Amino acid sequence: GAGVSQSPRYKVAKRGQDVALRCDPISGHVSLFWYQQALGQGPEFLTYFQNEAQLDKSGLPSDRFFAERPEGSVSTLKIQRTQQEDSAVYLCASSIRRDRSYNEQFFGPGTRLTVL
Amino acid sequence: ILNVEQSPQSLHVQEGDSTNFTCSFPSSNFYALHWYRWETAKSPEALFVMTLNGDEKKKGRISATLNTKEGYSYLYIKGSQPEDSATYLCAFSSGGYQKVTFGTGTKLQVIP
Repeated sequence: GAGVSQSPRYKVAKRGQDVALRCDPISGHVSLFWYQQALGQGPEFLTYFQNEAQLDKSGLPSDRFFAERPEGSVSTLKIQRTQQEDSAVYLCASSIRRDRSYNEQFFGPGTRLTVL
Repeated sequence: ILNVEQSPQSLHVQEGDSTNFTCSFPSSNFYALHWYRWETAKSPEALFVMTLNGDEKKKGRISATLNTKEGYSYLYIKGSQPEDSATYLCAFSSGGYQKVTFGTGTKLQVIP
């Protein structure tokens, strides 16, 4: 596809349920980012991959959050035992370059997670 | 913790009006400043990335300026149109790393 895709677009989960959010980056993009955007806030960094290596996971809010990118392309963000405070839009972005911090990040449309 | 602030939080303007928003960011360890436009139900779209003090960028009716010494950037929209209605996000990068810190955004509504 031409852009970054995410699925599902919307997810409603009961408190305590595990969820998995998928990101398909642009083909050939080395870098992949996950962000969490709570209502009324800007997106906040969760984690960063360079190919299959998770180089920074400092933004993951708790050990219930886990991300992987096993083959360096598709990534999955998993949230275990969801809580109401996990309700947010989860954005994925990819970029082509490795080591420059001003390269453009291309975003997916996000997954809106609602935890009841 | 890096603080990136945007003002105003929201803005309603009449079609044809010109408008501007502000993004303030730390003036130390500056690497790049990004502006994104995020329309409802769509993906955030990159507008500009600026790296040098004094940079000015333009895309159609939208332009942006950068002052890294005092830590602010302005985004201008000339002759606003209803299709400009969106949330405008700025994001700051420091050091040589790809992580960006976003502001909370300015939500613009252009009234026909």
